[in-house]
Amino acid sequence: EADIYQTPRYLVIGTGKKITLECSQTMGHDKMYWYQQDPGMELHLIHYSYGVNSTEKGDLSSESTVSRIRTEHFPLTLESARPSHTSQYLCASSEPRLAKETQYFGPGTRLLVL
Amino acid sequence: GESVGLHLPTLSVQEGDNSIINCAYSNSASDYFIWYKQESGKGPQFIIDIRSNMDKRQGQRVTVLLNKTVKHLSLQIAATQPGDSAVYFCAETFAGGTSYGKLTFGQGTILTVHP
Repeated sequence: EADIYQTPRYLVIGTGKKITLECSQTMGHDKMYWYQQDPGMELHLIHYSYGVNSTEKGDLSSESTVSRIRTEHFPLTLESARPSHTSQYLCASSEPRLAKETQYFGPGTRLLVL
Repeated sequence: GESVGLHLPTLSVQEGDNSIINCAYSNSASDYFIWYKQESGKGPQFIIDIRSNMDKRQGQRVTVLLNKTVKHLSLQIAATQPGDSAVYFCAETFAGGTSYGKLTFGQGTILTVHP
């Protein structure tokens, strides 16, 4: 069982609100990732980080932003939530081991913007 | 969010049968592949992985087969159980450059196991 946590698990908010989705891992992994996943659909990478002060845009364009001030923490922020942001957001982390790079996922945050 | 992909294919099996889930990957340079299982309301969970220098790897009740010639990956689950019901995703990545460690996920398959 991977030690990666996401809060909140579920969030219902109104349009225009600022929100921050939290992700923390206690494994000391340098690399962390955020994915967006609609129900019954594929995972799409929206942000990733290779370490402290490193952040990169993923393959799917997103209006969200991320920060990586500490190794264990990788929060995602939406400055002004809109209904189109309704989705599930999954956080993951990884560390190379014996030339492998397995990502471990948190439980996800289900976001509903009204 | 907006849906940008196709809805997932499905596979229905009877309890005790063997299941085979297939995945076509896109990048011929990929050298590491992972199968994930995602149960409803949870994040993806690692099942088994394989490097490109192998064509078969076995775990407990699961086997992954890799055919690099046709860029095809399969997951075989022996004696499928109701607890195996989930969505299964394959993922690929390759070492080197700025993309190292980034996973590209396949479409996913919904496996339903009937008692």
